[in-house]
Amino acid sequence: KAGVTQTPRYLIKTRGQQVTLSCSPISGHRSVSWYQQTPGQGLQFLFEYFSETQRNKGNFPGRFSGRQFSNSRSEMNVSTLELGDSALYLCASSLRSGASYNEQFFGPGTRLTVL
Amino acid sequence: AQSVTQLDSQVPVFEEAPVELRCNYSSSVSVYLFWYVQYPNQGLQLLLKYLSGSTLVKGINGFEAEFNKSQTSFHLRKPSVHISDTAEYFCAVSEESNSGYALNFGKGTSLLVTP
Repeated sequence: KAGVTQTPRYLIKTRGQQVTLSCSPISGHRSVSWYQQTPGQGLQFLFEYFSETQRNKGNFPGRFSGRQFSNSRSEMNVSTLELGDSALYLCASSLRSGASYNEQFFGPGTRLTVL
Repeated sequence: AQSVTQLDSQVPVFEEAPVELRCNYSSSVSVYLFWYVQYPNQGLQLLLKYLSGSTLVKGINGFEAEFNKSQTSFHLRKPSVHISDTAEYFCAVSEESNSGYALNFGKGTSLLVTP
């Protein structure tokens, strides 16, 4: 069974631009979560989607948004990029939502650099 | 609100020596606890998890962890480490929630195994 895939793996943008990252969950998984990883703040939860609905959201500004499609694939978008948005963005999928003990399977991440 | 503290940012250890990576959490409700490992340029991989039951949890690659409710700790141990165990280790906590699913991570502990 294929794992979680994220595209692209690396991305370079300039301040003020917007970016879209993509995540394909493990086949059969319906929950997709996004995390931001930076050296200073560590791993921080962005949001979770289940059945095309945002179920939970972390403490990030409205510039960060996401969506999930009917095939469970998910995208996250960051508008008006800032230097501080440079990070590794990790996507994770799990079978179900609403049950905190479901194991999350992580993708390799997308490394975003904002210049 | 839940939080996780990993007491050591870096742990150097010689090959074949035992190691303990410390993790403390704070939460006012029952929690689920996890340890993840991240190898360079990769996503996170689940090592082990505590949901309920026995307080000693065994995971992959010879790791184990003990849940101590009175001390609110979930320390990770391995009796004999290998060079290949060099990686970043993250402790995470999740609370039961009907509004979604989010893992709250510690800052991570960098384990460096040398010959």
